[in-house]
Amino acid sequence: NAGVTQTPKFQVLKTGQSMTLQCAQDMNHNSMYWYRQDPGMGLRLIYYSASEGTTDKGEVPNGYNVSRLNKREFSLRLESAAPSQTSVYFCASTQTRSGEQFFGPGTRLTVL
Amino acid sequence: GNSVTQMEGPVTLSEEAFLTINCTYTATGYPSLFWYVQYPGEGLQLLLKATKADDKGSNKGFEATYRKETTSFHLEKGSVQVSDSAVYFCALSKGANTGFQKLVFGTGTRLLVSP
Repeated sequence: NAGVTQTPKFQVLKTGQSMTLQCAQDMNHNSMYWYRQDPGMGLRLIYYSASEGTTDKGEVPNGYNVSRLNKREFSLRLESAAPSQTSVYFCASTQTRSGEQFFGPGTRLTVL
Repeated sequence: GNSVTQMEGPVTLSEEAFLTINCTYTATGYPSLFWYVQYPGEGLQLLLKATKADDKGSNKGFEATYRKETTSFHLEKGSVQVSDSAVYFCALSKGANTGFQKLVFGTGTRLLVSP
C-alpha cells in the first residue's frame, strides 16, 4: 500500500515549456486534489475531482488543466509554464465522508 | 466564506518546553477541524482532528479542543522534542456528513525546537 505517489519529485522548466505532473493513489478514494504551496501562503487548491469523471476549479486554476484518467490517477498539466508557477505541488486524496486528506510527497517545480 | 487564521511563526522553543499554536476559524454551520504536520521535504500528514464542538483530538502527545464559543482549535503539547520541528497547518472541512468536501488551510506555523 503506497498511498499517494507523485512523479516527478523535481523538475526545472523554461518559460513556455509544458509538462504533466502525475499522481496516483491506491486507497480506492473517490476524491482527488491538486494544491500548490508557496512561502507564507499555505496550500491553495488548484483543481479537484470529487469523483471519477468529474473535475472542478479550485482557488487558483489559471494556467493549469487536469485529467482524471481513472479512479486511481489524477494528472495536472501546465501548457505554457510561467515563472509564477514555480512552487511545490501536492496531490491528495480523501475518504469521502471523513474529510481527512492523504498527501503525496510533492513535486518541486522551478520555471526559469 | 470559510477561513482559518494561524499565528505567525516561527515558534522557537527549547526541548521539553510547552507548546501552543493558536488557530481560529470562520465558518457557517459545523465544520470539522484538523491539524496537519509537514516535516522537512515531505507531504502533509494528519496529526489530529475533531468533528464536533468540545471534541478533543489527540495524537503523539499533541492535543487540540474544538471550541465553538471562541471558534478556536489551538494545538498544544506539554513537552516538545527536537523531532517535533516541522510546519503545522490548521484546516477546516465543511459538512462532515455530506460526502465530498474540501479543506481550507491556514498559512502554517513553523516550529523549531532546539536541544
